[in-house]
Amino acid sequence: SQTIHQWPATLVQPVGSPLSLECTVEGTSNPNLYWYRQAAGRGLQLLFYSVGIGQISSEVPQNLSASRPQDRQFILSSKKLLLSDSGFYLCAWRKESGELFFGEGSRLTVL
Amino acid sequence: AQSVSQHNHHVILSEAASLELGCNYSYGGTVNLFWYVQYPGQHLQLLLKYFSGDPLVKGIKGFEAEFIKSKFSFNLRKPSVQWSDTAEYFCAVTPGGGSYIPTFGRGTSLIVHP
Repeated sequence: SQTIHQWPATLVQPVGSPLSLECTVEGTSNPNLYWYRQAAGRGLQLLFYSVGIGQISSEVPQNLSASRPQDRQFILSSKKLLLSDSGFYLCAWRKESGELFFGEGSRLTVL
Repeated sequence: AQSVSQHNHHVILSEAASLELGCNYSYGGTVNLFWYVQYPGQHLQLLLKYFSGDPLVKGIKGFEAEFIKSKFSFNLRKPSVQWSDTAEYFCAVTPGGGSYIPTFGRGTSLIVHP
């Protein structure tokens, strides 16, 4: 069966420090992968999506970047974190039927 | 681009009350529609979905949703809620025809008092 994992689950980082959140999918190949940010009362904001290795599309310009070095790995990064980067980040992969499967989420606090 | 509106941001009910959460979308073409649920401390998961066919779809835990094309709506319903239905509910829309970019509503926080 397919699974999706994110780590770390919780992260506290100082302003200006780098960030790396990882997402790995198992049990499927060439998945469509997504990074969302969830903010209270604001729903899910799509940050990046990828349809294949090395293919990244950005939905919102900001202080973050994404990479897909392997078929089932999706990484969210930043070179220098801002306070406004704090939030709950969700990775998801899309089934052929169209629904998304989400990871457990990573809560980032920037101090 | 499509958009999704969830009009009820916070809903508080007592157990056994009936539930209806509104979802409207703006997109002129064929759509695929979803409701996701996030229980406290858990990850987002699919509640139900509509692609085609019977506009009344049934999901897990007694939930159902009705697609009304003329109203661009996909409201979620449950005849009798339970305390365990306390969660955040998200409506999502993906244009049909192979698109893979879902758009989510802002979510509705449901609290059910025992």
